[in-house]
Amino acid sequence: DIQMTQSPSTLSASVGDRVTITCRASQSITSRLAWYQQKPGKAPKLLIYEASDLESGVPSRFSGRGSGTEFTLTITSLQPDDFSTYYCQQYESYSWTFGQGTKVEIK
Amino acid sequence: EAELLESGGGLVKPGGSLRLSCSASGFTFSTYVMNWVRQAPGKGLEWVAAISGSGGSPYYADSVKGRFTISRDNSKNTVFLRMNSLRGEDTAVYFCAKVGSGYYSNYFDSWGQGTLVTVSS
Repeated sequence: DIQMTQSPSTLSASVGDRVTITCRASQSITSRLAWYQQKPGKAPKLLIYEASDLESGVPSRFSGRGSGTEFTLTITSLQPDDFSTYYCQQYESYSWTFGQGTKVEIK
Repeated sequence: EAELLESGGGLVKPGGSLRLSCSASGFTFSTYVMNWVRQAPGKGLEWVAAISGSGGSPYYADSVKGRFTISRDNSKNTVFLRMNSLRGEDTAVYFCAKVGSGYYSNYFDSWGQGTLVTVSS
């Protein structure tokens, strides 16, 4: 199975900050990488797919980059609603795997 | 807009069985791969199982292979997860999720609200 490793596990930031989360795959997944946001007690919400395509309705302050094994999710000008947990997911194979998550908390 | 609604969760003893259901609406159900994803309390997301639109190709995580069975009834727009030989480590919220549109779109663009399964004596 393809392993996904996210860093950091926790990120402390302030409103208005620019934050970047990294996700690494154990083998090439080309651009088959999605990012999700999850709030406590809620289902995950798709933010980014195909590594860099923004899901409809998602604010443009969210962006994704990367291909192969290295990917990033960047939030420019962090907003109060963005304090959540973020997960990457590979969908290169029919054995989907998620990163362990990155919690973005208020500094 | 796609809507997914899970049901069937509850408290079950170790070694017991449970069947989860996920009722879908708002899209052409039979043309989409459907998935189950779980999240143990305080933990991350774990993909559990997937099934093709026709129902002919199921896929499972190693952690549930041989114990869980995914199926679907396209006439009722419903996907199921039959869980046998349940263990404490199966305790989790179980979400159903739909893949996106398009040939390479196997990300999960719609999710249900989840149903809690607790395995405990």
